[in-house]
Amino acid sequence: DSGVTQTPKHLITATGQRVTLRCSPRSGDLSVYWYQQSLDQGLQFLIQYYNGEERAKGNILERFSAQQFPDLHSELNLSSLELGDSALYFCASSLQEGPEAFFGQGTRLTVV
Amino acid sequence: GENVEQHPSTLSVQEGDSAVIKCTYSDSASNYFPWYKQELGKGPQLIIDIRSNVGEKKDQRIAVTLNKTAKHFSLHITETQPEDSAVYFCAALGASGTYKYIFGTGTRLKVLA
Repeated sequence: DSGVTQTPKHLITATGQRVTLRCSPRSGDLSVYWYQQSLDQGLQFLIQYYNGEERAKGNILERFSAQQFPDLHSELNLSSLELGDSALYFCASSLQEGPEAFFGQGTRLTVV
Repeated sequence: GENVEQHPSTLSVQEGDSAVIKCTYSDSASNYFPWYKQELGKGPQLIIDIRSNVGEKKDQRIAVTLNKTAKHFSLHITETQPEDSAVYFCAALGASGTYKYIFGTGTRLKVLA
């Protein structure tokens, strides 16, 4: 157990809908990262937050947004969902600004 | 742009044999190289890492080597066991100033009993 908690574990939703994925980092970790894992794309970096502030942005679609709250948990919001958004979404956390990052168990999103 | 190539994509070895997975990175500013093991239905688990000021690091049956000049790094697993079967990902820390890991595409290792 890495200590990073993600909820829900599974999510099935229809195209056009909006969902929120939640991540609680390891105790004491200030940095949170979001990754998308799909079969043909591997692990793709989406976004990083450090102590509530956005620090790095990857290939995150405009339909997606994230935030980190004062208690350091983070949420990834995915809107106007498309079939191609079906993937595993992972959250990772690290102490301060890394580099060692520890991953949660992921949320499997299925868009139908 | 930043890229990490990983080979092979699949690897089958007999139990007790060694397994080697190789990665090449493109960003010469990368200075941290972790390896993750991902079992079915689970998140990636950090198993070993190496920083750019070190050429080799070993932890029991696993070792990682780094050649900064060639921008290569490799994972070595000796005396493989069935429980080593998983997908292994290499990664490189991206451009300085960010903590954006660039991941390889993964190697599915199967250890045959």
